[in-house]
Amino acid sequence: EPEVTQTPSHQVTQMGQEVILRCVPISNHLYFYWYRQILGQKVEFLVSFYNNEISEKSEIFDDQFSVERPDGSNFTLKIRSTKLEDSAMYFCASSAQGSLTGELFFGEGSRLTVL
Amino acid sequence: AQTVTQSQPEMSVQEAETVTLSCTYDTSENNYYLFWYKQPPSRQMILVIRQEAYKQQNATENRFSVNFQKAAKSFSLKISDSQLGDTAMYFCALTNAGGTSYGKLTFGQGTILTVHP
Repeated sequence: EPEVTQTPSHQVTQMGQEVILRCVPISNHLYFYWYRQILGQKVEFLVSFYNNEISEKSEIFDDQFSVERPDGSNFTLKIRSTKLEDSAMYFCASSAQGSLTGELFFGEGSRLTVL
Repeated sequence: AQTVTQSQPEMSVQEAETVTLSCTYDTSENNYYLFWYKQPPSRQMILVIRQEAYKQQNATENRFSVNFQKAAKSFSLKISDSQLGDTAMYFCALTNAGGTSYGKLTFGQGTILTVHP
């Protein structure tokens, strides 16, 4: 069964460093998402992406965050200068359609620890 | 702003019995969708069941059913004949219909369900 895969599963970085989290969505999907979950808190929407541009983003998704789909298969989330509060589990998701019929499929998550 | 609240941090049930997980929500939208997602330990979230707000009939998927009370903004999940494989974190989630908002889910805090043999 097709799955959304994410790498790395866990990354430890120093504050101020750049981090790139990678996701390989399901191959025929067109809509892509990033969510995050800070330990002990709710899963929060970060950004949605369609047709090579951001569809919607949350207040969390400020200038230090960016997303791109560099090669037609990967979907990446970049954090330019990490802060302690960026420590969280980051989930990628994809869907075939941007409607009710387009079920979101989630990856297992990438745990980011900022020291 | 939309909110989703799951008031039960943890629940447990004996195998083969029935358990109900609670969820309440708040939204100013009239057309929206509600979901229950399951996240087994160290695995990805998977969709269990979904409900369209304009449909009065409660959704059912095999052993999983919902009790959708639109006026009360309540959306509970009932799991019948619980199995050991149902042990997981369960998230209730909400999204607006249409536009670019679909896929922008608002999640509850999650409920850890443990099924005991």
